[in-house]
Amino acid sequence: GESVGLHLPTLSVQEGDNSIINCAYSNSASDYFIWYKQESGKGPQFIIDIRSNMDKRQGQRVTVLLNKTVKHLSLQIAATQPGDSAVYFCAEIPLNTNAGKSTFGDGTTLTVKP
Amino acid sequence: DVKVTQSSRYLVKRTGEKVFLECVQDMDHENMFWYRQDPGLGLRLIYFSYDVKMKEKGDIPEGYSVSREKKERFSLILESASTNQTSMYLCATRSGGRGISFGSGTRLTVV
Repeated sequence: GESVGLHLPTLSVQEGDNSIINCAYSNSASDYFIWYKQESGKGPQFIIDIRSNMDKRQGQRVTVLLNKTVKHLSLQIAATQPGDSAVYFCAEIPLNTNAGKSTFGDGTTLTVKP
Repeated sequence: DVKVTQSSRYLVKRTGEKVFLECVQDMDHENMFWYRQDPGLGLRLIYFSYDVKMKEKGDIPEGYSVSREKKERFSLILESASTNQTSMYLCATRSGGRGISFGSGTRLTVV
């Protein structure tokens, strides 16, 4: 079946550095992706999304890159801050099919060292 | 912004109790979901609903049931709680071709 996975379970960076978190997906028909941030004890929060007709989307300090050729998604966080410490996971949300068929990665725990 | 409200942040229940987890959303979204989240297993879909009184099983429905009597409210029911249902439970909603919005979660401990 389809799966969405992250390459590394943990990532540690120095404050001020850029962070890159990766995700691989298996369904080549996937059409919509979201990155979520989840702080300890809280629910996931939407960070940024991208549709399959794009290969890059930028937000405030965050950029998502989509490489459909290799089915790879990445989240880049510029000038990482201590408040960025959280679990990040990607999600594949089918736009036009059964709403229950979304798939989620397990998450990468980002730790920002001061 | 969509607001998805889960009635409890933390719950402790005894084995065999009937447990109700409540979720309310304020954006008139058609689709509502219940997930559980466990370390190393990610998010797993328990049940979802795409309309009032409609429900579909997700990947792990055993031991759970749901109720959606009104569009804004989606309840998850543990008929007889067991220790293996200790988990973080997340309610979520979605409308049309947009992303999924989550509540803040309920951490349930069954003792």
